[in-house]
Amino acid sequence: EDKVVQSPLSLVVHEGDTVTLNCSYEVTNFRSLLWYKQEKKAPTFLFMLTSSGIEKKSGRLSSILDKKELFSILNITATQTGDSAVYLCAVEAGGSEKLVFGKGTKLTVNP
Amino acid sequence: DVKVTQSSRYLVKRTGEKVFLECVQDMDHENMFWYRQDPGLGLRLIYFSYDVKMKEKGDIPEGYSVSREKKERFSLILESASTNQTSMYLCASSTIFRTGKDYADTQYFGPGTRLTVL
Repeated sequence: EDKVVQSPLSLVVHEGDTVTLNCSYEVTNFRSLLWYKQEKKAPTFLFMLTSSGIEKKSGRLSSILDKKELFSILNITATQTGDSAVYLCAVEAGGSEKLVFGKGTKLTVNP
Repeated sequence: DVKVTQSSRYLVKRTGEKVFLECVQDMDHENMFWYRQDPGLGLRLIYFSYDVKMKEKGDIPEGYSVSREKKERFSLILESASTNQTSMYLCASSTIFRTGKDYADTQYFGPGTRLTVL
C-alpha cells in the first residue's frame, strides 16, 4: 500500500528559529514529491521535486529529495509568525495515477 | 483511520456531457472541499462547504457547481464538460477551522479522480 509519513506531526518554535520538516514515502512508480503550505482555505503549492540531491529554494524555504532513502525535507530558516500553518507533503505515484498525501506537520511560530 | 472516498478513479467523458463526481467521508467532518490538480499549478480550490446545504466558491468555480445534501457527501458537477476541465480532481474534508488562528486543521484527501474530457 502506498503511504506518505510526515514528522513531526506538530512543532512549536520561536521566531527566528530554523525548522526541518520530514516526509518519507513508500509508493509504486514514484513520479514526483510536492510540498504545500495549508492555511485558511486551500493549500499553497511550494515545491515539486523529481530529482535526487537538487535543492529547490524560495526565500527562506528550501527542500531536497533523496530518492535512494525515499524521503524529503523542508527547511524554513529565520521563521516568522506568518509561517504558522500545516505543511503537507504529497507524492505522485503510479505514473501520476494518484496523489498520496501525508497527514501534515502543524507548525506554530510564536513571537 | 480517517477515510475519504471518491466514486471513480478514472473517468472519460465527451465535451458537453454532464459529469458528476462524488465524495464521501466517514469522519463526521463539517468542511468538505473540491480541488483540481494540474501540472505546475498545484492544488486549486473549486468550491467548499462548511455545512449541509452550504457552499462557497473557491478560486476557480467557473464551469462547476456543487451539492451537499448530507453531511458525509459532497458532489462536484460539471454542467457541460469542456476539454480544459481535463484534470485530477481531489476531494478533502476537515473539521472546524480554528478561530483566532491563521491556519486550518489538516485536510484529509481522497485518492483523486482523473477526468479526461475528449
